[in-house]
Amino acid sequence: DTEVTQTPKHLVMGMTNKKSLKCEQHMGHRAMYWYKQKAKKPPELMFVYSYEKLSINESVPSRFSPECPNSSLLNLHLHALQPEDSALYLCASSQGLTASSYNEQFFGPGTRLTVL
Amino acid sequence: AQKITQTQPGMFVQEKEAVTLDCTYDTSDPSYGLFWYKQPSSGEMIFLIYQGSYDQQNATEGRYSLNFQKARKSANLVISASQLGDSAMYFCAMREVTNTGNQFYFGTGTSLTVIP
Repeated sequence: DTEVTQTPKHLVMGMTNKKSLKCEQHMGHRAMYWYKQKAKKPPELMFVYSYEKLSINESVPSRFSPECPNSSLLNLHLHALQPEDSALYLCASSQGLTASSYNEQFFGPGTRLTVL
Repeated sequence: AQKITQTQPGMFVQEKEAVTLDCTYDTSDPSYGLFWYKQPSSGEMIFLIYQGSYDQQNATEGRYSLNFQKARKSANLVISASQLGDSAMYFCAMREVTNTGNQFYFGTGTSLTVIP
């Protein structure tokens, strides 16, 4: 299984809602990532988990709250978002964060989020 | 300074012709990896090809080849025999070793349109 899955595919939410994005991989990867991507722009790194511990937080607002319940799952909890948070949210995983020669990132299909 | 530079915001190529997408990078890390990803309008980031900094030969994967010129710090993607399905955004990315492990950097992308 070389797939990263993300649910839901599309999400529309109001600014007062609480919702969660889910990401799952069964490749035995120990590093998982959340990216935010605006149209026609490159992905922007938000969070990195390594061995289920938060390794990198790229100064993301607290209305985004990541969670890694186990090595296969990564959640992104959303609360009180703003319309400018509308974007494609991509999850990715890689074997790890150590300096191995490859460590390709496998990406999921993304969740298209619209905040009204 | 930009870690990854893609100077072609948009490119057009005739079907069945070859096209080169440019990518230059900036790093002082002797061990790094270079990646190309394709992102169709559906949003999924699809891994295309990888080049390690110590690899002696240029990477090839089917119709994709990477023209790696280490001294010039360039890693151009060559797509041979373009197909209509190749129309997409293409991102060049680099993995670099940092204090917290691997860090990934993405270029701004090149939008490729294949003309029938």
